[in-house]
Amino acid sequence: GQNIDQPTEMTATEGAIVQINCTYQTSGFNGLFWYQQHAGEAPTFLSYNVLDGLEEKGRFSSFLSRSKGYSYLLLKELQMKDSASYLCACRDSNYQLIWGAGTKLIIKP
Amino acid sequence: IAGITQAPTSQILAAGRRMTLRCTQDMRHNAMYWYRQDLGLGLRLIHYSNTAGTTGKGEVPDGYSVSRANTDDFPLTLASAVPSQTSVYFCASSEGHEPGGYTFGSGTRLTVV
Repeated sequence: GQNIDQPTEMTATEGAIVQINCTYQTSGFNGLFWYQQHAGEAPTFLSYNVLDGLEEKGRFSSFLSRSKGYSYLLLKELQMKDSASYLCACRDSNYQLIWGAGTKLIIKP
Repeated sequence: IAGITQAPTSQILAAGRRMTLRCTQDMRHNAMYWYRQDLGLGLRLIHYSNTAGTTGKGEVPDGYSVSRANTDDFPLTLASAVPSQTSVYFCASSEGHEPGGYTFGSGTRLTVV
């Protein structure tokens, strides 16, 4: 079956760095996405990886290893507004997105 | 309108009643999707449409139906609501397989009592 695993909840301190891991098992692979979702709001697109390696976009970076079925989202210089859920999603051979349950990130002052 | 508009924002519905959730996009995206999001679970695909005039079943289609008469609109209908359909429903769209992923509407919070 298809499965996306990510931690349920993480806590970090304002100004610090946090890494959110995601492992996946899907039927085929056509890219991995990270989305941010604030409580009560819609998910918003953060990053996309289809090749191995690191994609950097400001304070956020995303890494992919296709051979390991593994990705992580790295958030630097954490701000209080980064408190949200972070959703990992993998696009399978049918180009459908398979979603993880999300990681709730709590930022403490 | 900019992006995706969903209506209503929230609704309390008596079990057994029929309900249509509306979704309209102005980006001329070909593909549209309906998801439900429940606490502790990932987004689950209910139905999708790759282009106007076509629809397909997702992971949890039972009890729901959709139509795609044109590019912009993708309504989701619950024929006879049950309490297990209490959820937050998101409509989303994408333009083919572009790396930008999906654009989501703001969601409809539905409670079936």
